[in-house]
Amino acid sequence: GAVVSQHPSRVICKSGTSVKIECRSLDFQATTMFWYRQFPKQSLMLMATSNEGSKATYEQGVEKDKFLINHASLTLSTLTVTSAHPEDSSFYICSAAPGTSGGRGGVDTQYFGPGTRLTVL
Amino acid sequence: DAKTTQPPSMDCAEGRAANLPCNHSTISGNEYVYWYRQIHSQGPQYIIHGLKNNETNEMASLIITEDRKSSTLILPHATLRDTAVYYCIVRVANTGGFKTIFGAGTRLFVKA
Repeated sequence: GAVVSQHPSRVICKSGTSVKIECRSLDFQATTMFWYRQFPKQSLMLMATSNEGSKATYEQGVEKDKFLINHASLTLSTLTVTSAHPEDSSFYICSAAPGTSGGRGGVDTQYFGPGTRLTVL
Repeated sequence: DAKTTQPPSMDCAEGRAANLPCNHSTISGNEYVYWYRQIHSQGPQYIIHGLKNNETNEMASLIITEDRKSSTLILPHATLRDTAVYYCIVRVANTGGFKTIFGAGTRLFVKA
């Protein structure tokens, strides 16, 4: 249980275009989802907290107009990278917690998606 | 959330126990210790967590010192597939609004 999926797993786009990444909790509902970014040989950096039905909360230094987050349902959050540039190329990872529905690690453990590798040419 | 300190890298022989230490000297009474690992180009995988008692599951054991200022993740019989970056994280466990902040982690190399 507690499986999180992401789509697409890999995307290559041209500079200036927008890219949407989906994050789904497959077997549980998640009021809160999180988005991370990871550059090569670095740790995960939290970008924003996505709350179902409300605006996302962004970490300091993350441009909310560039990284649009929508959490329209309890099982789906999307991250849109607008007007992508080569410096946005990174590994984007989402996570979610089962809340009351549990999971191997319990109600408060976050489970992570497999990640989406974005390459902007 | 409290900060953690981990060695940047460790080696372990295949079949032997891998003991990964973590210092969290500023941990608060309501903060849990979580361990995740990340295999290259994948999302982090939950391993185990605990508050103050030692914990064991099918993947690993977690030993937390009595003063809770440090802990050790034990992989009892390491395999080559256990080569990964291991992250020790301390945070409050409550529903909604919590964050998981990653440090640099320990890069474990399991060698044949």
